[in-house]
Amino acid sequence: GAGVSQSPRYKVAKRGQDVALRCDPISGHVSLFWYQQALGQGPEFLTYFQNEAQLDKSGLPSDRFFAERPEGSVSTLKIQRTQQEDSAVYLCASSPHGGQANTGELFFGEGSRLTVL
Amino acid sequence: GESVGLHLPTLSVQEGDNSIINCAYSNSASDYFIWYKQESGKGPQFIIDIRSNMDKRQGQRVTVLLNKTVKHLSLQIAATQPGDSAVYFCAENSVKLTFGTGTRLTIIP
Repeated sequence: GAGVSQSPRYKVAKRGQDVALRCDPISGHVSLFWYQQALGQGPEFLTYFQNEAQLDKSGLPSDRFFAERPEGSVSTLKIQRTQQEDSAVYLCASSPHGGQANTGELFFGEGSRLTVL
Repeated sequence: GESVGLHLPTLSVQEGDNSIINCAYSNSASDYFIWYKQESGKGPQFIIDIRSNMDKRQGQRVTVLLNKTVKHLSLQIAATQPGDSAVYFCAENSVKLTFGTGTRLTIIP
């Protein structure tokens, strides 16, 4: 399809396991964002890429969280040694514009719901 | 700290009536605002945006009003339909996109 694709849609992990969440942005989109959305809350910014460069990772909650976009297209969010508080929906968004400020419309995927037992 | 928030967490509206969803922001440097709609199990979907040099912008059945004096914006949905049921977020974008908690809009048939 033409939209942002995320996989897996649902992931259940045991506490302490590592997980990897994938995002396929819209082809040609320069900017890519990861957000974390806890139940009943708004999305919280995690990190931002412009092409392959990770320009802002200020929202990553701990050093257990790592994101990459090696070729400026597909991105992976990795969470090591998952904890129960990591349970959330992880949203990926892309934009054809460069730069975070005044980015205009962000196109969101449907998210990956992570449940840590 | 700076925040974007909403006055009401839930709103129930009769089908066919107009809906008004409010949002307050605290960062006076914010110069760009966006409303998103999120249906259950889906990602947020862009509705409409407005820049700080405007006080009103209209789309299809939606209008966003911005009052910079009191740092308030609202989303008006005309002739609310069942398909409008969702959580609505305002977001402020000065350095990065910051979302509020959201308002759940429920349509009463």
